[in-house]
Amino acid sequence: QVQLKESGPGLVQPSQTLSLTCTVSGFSLTSYHVSWVRQPPGKGLEWMGVIWTGGSTAYNSLLKSRLSISRDISKSQVFLKMNSLQTEDTATYYCARGIRYNPFDYWGQGVMVTVSS
Amino acid sequence: DTVLTQSPALAVSPGERVTISCRASESVSTLMHWYQQKPGQQPTLLIYLASNLESGVPARFSGSGSGTDFTLTIDPVEADDTATYYCQQSWNDPWTFGGGTKLELK
Repeated sequence: QVQLKESGPGLVQPSQTLSLTCTVSGFSLTSYHVSWVRQPPGKGLEWMGVIWTGGSTAYNSLLKSRLSISRDISKSQVFLKMNSLQTEDTATYYCARGIRYNPFDYWGQGVMVTVSS
Repeated sequence: DTVLTQSPALAVSPGERVTISCRASESVSTLMHWYQQKPGQQPTLLIYLASNLESGVPARFSGSGSGTDFTLTIDPVEADDTATYYCQQSWNDPWTFGGGTKLELK
């Protein structure tokens, strides 16, 4: 059974760094790529970046300077780190499994992150 | 970036046929995908590569299009289809989503 589950702090102070973990089960990170997608309250979806099966990464150019995605294959975990957070980064953050030609066939339940002092 | 434009909202009656459009600012070939998102839930994949039905998705859902113009059709619409529908392209970098179409039932 394929599952993805995000975890991390619900509240982050402005200018601080956000660290999130996506723990996956039912598939291998060497067989499927995983993306991070976020959604501000009441708004649409924004693709943030992807870690490919070989471990390389690609980022949305709008976030590239602040964003890092990595993984631990042995723990089946994908990590997101984003620095210099601002209130506009308040959103629900999802991790999602990507398949060939890059639709996302499984999504985590999401984790809500509020940026506030 | 490739901008995907969707109508903000639609209202239809159960049993009717509804088409939801997505127009891309540049060609995305057929690398267009559709998702359904219900309030408080994560998105779920409905259609991939413009016209392929994801496993487990009812055959009432279908997709078509190529290049810059795409449609998601629901026929017939059921009460459970109340949701926001998003298109997403993966042809151009960065991958982008449409703003979403909120489907309401009369």
